[in-house]
Amino acid sequence: EIVLTQSPGTLSLSPGERVTLSCRASESVSSGFLAWYQQKPGQAPRLLIYAASRRATGIPDRFSGSGSGTEFTLTISRLEPEDFAVYYCQHYGYSGFTFGPGTKVDIK
Amino acid sequence: QLHLQESGPGLVKPSETLYLTCSVFGDSMNNSPYYGGWIRQPPGKRLEWIGNISHSGDTYYNPSLKSRVSISMDPSRNQFSLHLRSLTAADTAIYYCARLSISGLLTAFDTWGRGTRVTVSS
Repeated sequence: EIVLTQSPGTLSLSPGERVTLSCRASESVSSGFLAWYQQKPGQAPRLLIYAASRRATGIPDRFSGSGSGTEFTLTISRLEPEDFAVYYCQHYGYSGFTFGPGTKVDIK
Repeated sequence: QLHLQESGPGLVKPSETLYLTCSVFGDSMNNSPYYGGWIRQPPGKRLEWIGNISHSGDTYYNPSLKSRVSISMDPSRNQFSLHLRSLTAADTAIYYCARLSISGLLTAFDTWGRGTRVTVSS
C-alpha cells in the first residue's frame, strides 16, 4: 500500500505570502492519479487539483500543482484570507484511494 | 447544481450496524459513468476512503474495511447507501459521501456532501 506523507505539518503565514506544500509517496505513483483538496473547519473537502497539475472547475489560478514520481507540490502564489485551511493530497492506486495526513496553513 | 446530502443516525452502539444514505440532487445516478463514494474522517485524523459504487452497481472497497462494509444504490431514488457492520469506537468519525468523477485526466472526488457525524458509544 502506498503511503503519503505531507510536510510541514503546520505553516504559519501572512496574507500575500507564497506557500509551497509537499506531498511525498512511499513509492513512485502516476501523476495522473494525484489530487489535492482544501478543507476548512466544519466543511467538507474541496477538490483543488487533479492529475497533479490540473485545476478543478472554479479554482483560482493562484493555486498550482506540480511533481512526478514520489514528490508532488501544491503552490499558492499569493495567500488570500480564505486560503487558510488544511490541505490534503490524495492518490488513487491498485488498493483504492489514500490520503495524506494534511498540512495546516494558518494565519501568522 | 449538483448537491449531495448524507442522512443517518448520529449515535450507534458498539457491535451494531451503521446505515447511512446519500441523496443526490441536481444529477442522475443513471448517467454513465457515475460513481458514488464514501469517505470518513475520525476526530483529528486524516481522511479515509471507505469505498465506491458505480452506476452499474460495481463496488470497490478499502481492503482494511472490506470485511465489514457494503455499499448499495437505488437509482430510482437517486440515492446510494453505506452499511458498516460490527462497529467499534474506532468507527467514530464524520462520514462524507461524494461524487467520484472519472473522465479523461480526472479521477477524483469533485463534489462532497457536508458530512454527518457518527459516534459509536453505548
